[in-house]
Amino acid sequence: DAGVTQSPTHLIKTRGQQVTLRCSPISGHKSVSWYQQVLGQGPQFIFQYYEKEERGRGNFPDRFSARQFPNYSSELNVNALLLGDSALYLCASSLVWTDTQYFGPGTRLTVL
Amino acid sequence: EDQVTQSPEALRLQEGESSSLNCSYTVSGLRGLFWYRQDPGKGPEFLFTLYSAGEEKEKERLKATLTKKESFLHITAPKPEDSATYLCAVPRSGNTPLVFGKGTRLSVIA
Repeated sequence: DAGVTQSPTHLIKTRGQQVTLRCSPISGHKSVSWYQQVLGQGPQFIFQYYEKEERGRGNFPDRFSARQFPNYSSELNVNALLLGDSALYLCASSLVWTDTQYFGPGTRLTVL
Repeated sequence: EDQVTQSPEALRLQEGESSSLNCSYTVSGLRGLFWYRQDPGKGPEFLFTLYSAGEEKEKERLKATLTKKESFLHITAPKPEDSATYLCAVPRSGNTPLVFGKGTRLSVIA
């Protein structure tokens, strides 16, 4: 069975640009969460969606937004990119929003 | 505020030299403690979930234990392929998303 998939694998953007990251959950999983991981730190929670509704939001600015589609895939959008947004962006899926989270391989975003 | 602290930050072991990693947490009403393994540049790989004090789980050379305030990940006779960062996480109070520690970076030398 396929695990969580994310695209693209790597991305290079310049300051002020906008970026969209994509995530497909494990088949049958209805919850998707997004995390940001900077080097040397643990992942930091950004958003959680369950059944297309936002269930939680971390301490990130309004430049960050997300949505979940009817097929449970998800997109994370970041506007007006800053150098500090450079990080590994991780998507995790779970059966329901209270269940164990399984992570994808991540998208490495570099902002120049 | 929910907090997860892992120690040591880095650990270097000779192959076959057993040791333990520590994860201490402050969260009201623990609803599970999760251990993940992360290789460089990749997403975390789920290892274990522990729910109650006294619980233990094993997988190959790894054994995770839980007390009321901390968890230990014991590594018995490690091999170089066990080299990775080990992350500990707990669900945020009143919500599900995980609060992670900074991880322990384990290096096993042949």
